Amino acid sequence: DVKVTQSSRYLVKRTGEKVFLECVQDMDHENMFWYRQDPGLGLRLIYFSYDVKMKEKGDIPEGYSVSREKKERFSLILESASTNQTSMYLCASSASLGSYEQYFGPGTRLTVT
Amino acid sequence: AQSVTQLDSQVPVFEEAPVELRCNYSSSVSVYLFWYVQYPNQGLQLLLKYLSGSTLVESINGFEAEFNKSQTSFHLRKPSVHISDTAEYFCAVRPPGGSRLTFGEGTQLTVNP
Repeated sequence: DVKVTQSSRYLVKRTGEKVFLECVQDMDHENMFWYRQDPGLGLRLIYFSYDVKMKEKGDIPEGYSVSREKKERFSLILESASTNQTSMYLCASSASLGSYEQYFGPGTRLTVT
Repeated sequence: AQSVTQLDSQVPVFEEAPVELRCNYSSSVSVYLFWYVQYPNQGLQLLLKYLSGSTLVESINGFEAEFNKSQTSFHLRKPSVHISDTAEYFCAVRPPGGSRLTFGEGTQLTVNP
């Protein structure tokens, strides 16, 4: 079974803090994705990576950056957290560009106060 | 660019009743179509997909979806729902040559006894 794990299920941070969300997959997948999930908006792609050290902006990259130093790990960074970044963050991976299925982690619910 | 619209944000039904969750999409190119399900406090899981061929696709737990090209729809149906089907359901599209999914807003299905 593919397993995608996220470092925290719940996280509370203060405005202005630097926040790291970590995601690890154990199936040697090429692609990894970060989404945020908000009620009524579905999932929106923040960034994705198709190889180590490679990244591409998604639909809502503003206020976020990412890091992929190893194939199995993809980090989402909030340089200076703001209250409008309070959300559920979901990480996903897929085997290759042509793969049909993305495998999701359980999510991190981030609250910025 | 693609977009997905899920026409109902909430669908409450009684156990053993039939259900239909509606999904319409817009795209200038052909697309692959997906339904993902998110059970409470979990990440998303692929429920079923349409890539090509027969326009009716089925999942292992009794759901089916029909691709209608003329109406650009991919509605999800189940003839008799169970309490355990309570979850949020997301419709998604992706061009055949790409890896990025575009998700709809989600439909919360609540099955009541």
